Amino acid sequence: GESVGLHLPTLSVQEGDNSIINCAYSNSASDYFIWYKQESGKGPQFIIDIRSNMDKRQGQRVTVLLNKTVKHLSLQIAATQPGDSAVYFCAEWEGNFNKFYFGSGTKLNVKP
Amino acid sequence: GAVVSQHPSWVICKSGTSVKIECRSLDFQATTMFWYRQFPKQSLMLMATSNEGSKATYEQGVEKDKFLINHASLTLSTLTVTSAHPEDSSFYICSARLAGRSSNEQFFGPGTRLTVL
Repeated sequence: GESVGLHLPTLSVQEGDNSIINCAYSNSASDYFIWYKQESGKGPQFIIDIRSNMDKRQGQRVTVLLNKTVKHLSLQIAATQPGDSAVYFCAEWEGNFNKFYFGSGTKLNVKP
Repeated sequence: GAVVSQHPSWVICKSGTSVKIECRSLDFQATTMFWYRQFPKQSLMLMATSNEGSKATYEQGVEKDKFLINHASLTLSTLTVTSAHPEDSSFYICSARLAGRSSNEQFFGPGTRLTVL
C-alpha cells in the first residue's frame, strides 16, 4: 500500500503549550484523512477528520491542516493537557482500495 | 452509539493452539469490518478486510490459512489465529464500518492482546 509517514516519533511539550504533530502521505489520490489518538493498551480513538476539498478543519482544541500540494497534514492541539499524552496516528483513506493505511505514529508526552 | 467490542480482551495460549477473537458492533450493523495487527511501539497494520457474507480480502504478506476470518452476520466478525506461535503475539484490533452509509467512518474496538508462550 501507499506509505503514510510521520516526521517525529516523539514529541514532548509543557502543559498548556500548543502541540503540532505532522504527517506526510504519498498517494495524491487519497481524499480523506483522519487523526486518531491511542492510549496504551487501547484501540484508536477518533479525533478529527478532513476531506481533500478542505485545507483546514477545527474541533474542540484541535485543528487539522491539509496541504495537498506537498501532501502533508498536521494536527494542532491547543493548550495541551496531561490527558493528551498518547500516541497519535494519521490515517489515509484509499478510496480505490476501500481501506485505511496508518502512519507510523507520534508519541506525545505532556510534562506538567 | 457506534460501539465496537472485542472478546477476549487478553488471551494467553500455548504455541500450536488456535485462538478465536470476536469483533462485534453493538448498536449498529456493519457490512465491512477490518482487522489490524499492532506490535509494540508500532503502527496499526491492516491484515484483512472482512465483508459480511463473502470471503475476506487479505493484505499482501498475510497468510489467509493462518488468520481465518469469518463475517457471518452484520454484527459479528471473527479472527482465528491457527497454530499460533510466539511471533504471532501482538495486539489485534478490529474496526467496523457503518452499513448503508457512504461515509468512510469506521469505529474501532478496544483491541485483543494475544500472548503465545
